Amino acid sequence: DGGITQSPKYLFRKEGQNVTLSCEQNLNHDAMYWYRQDPGQGLRLIYYSQIVNDFQKGDIAEGYSVSREKKESFPLTVTSAQKNPTAFYLCASSIVSTGNTEAFFGQGTRLTVV
Amino acid sequence: AQSVTQPDIHITVSEGASLELRCNYSYGATPYLFWYVQSPGQGLQLLLKYFSGDTLVQGIKGFEAEFKRSQSSFNLRKPSVHWSDAAEYFCAVGAGGNKLVFGAGTILRVKS
Repeated sequence: DGGITQSPKYLFRKEGQNVTLSCEQNLNHDAMYWYRQDPGQGLRLIYYSQIVNDFQKGDIAEGYSVSREKKESFPLTVTSAQKNPTAFYLCASSIVSTGNTEAFFGQGTRLTVV
Repeated sequence: AQSVTQPDIHITVSEGASLELRCNYSYGATPYLFWYVQSPGQGLQLLLKYFSGDTLVQGIKGFEAEFKRSQSSFNLRKPSVHWSDAAEYFCAVGAGGNKLVFGAGTILRVKS
């Protein structure tokens, strides 16, 4: 079945540590995205990529980093510079079109700083 | 800049009653509009989308939405709510470059 797989589902991090969230898709989509979700704030875009080896900052990129070495994979690293990393993180993918197209979402990773 | 407003943070309806969730957007051109649903601890599932054409769009699970350009609205409706519809609902607008801008969400509670 085609879809987006995020792992792990739950992640605990000590303050000062970097952690990497995995996102893999087999939908053959060119575009991939990372969103952060906090209660009452909806989804906010962290980074996005429309092609391999290229990515752009979203609205809240500070304290995060990404890579796009393969079409299928778009890992997100939450660095120690992110002051409030506890949140629900969602990865998505879509085709690239001249207009807009729907995004398909993974099941999310809940990150908690302990 | 594009933005989406969902005025209602929480809505409670009785099972079998009708439902309308409000969404207002700000976008300079013809918008691409979406409604997604999220169950607790899960990802988002697309309910329906509007790109062009008929302003009343049908989606999955018996939902529909109407695009009203004059009111900059894209409200979601369902004639009869089921207990399984309890979830959080997000309206989104295409922001160009294949990006989406989301509203803050509306949590739907269904009482029996």
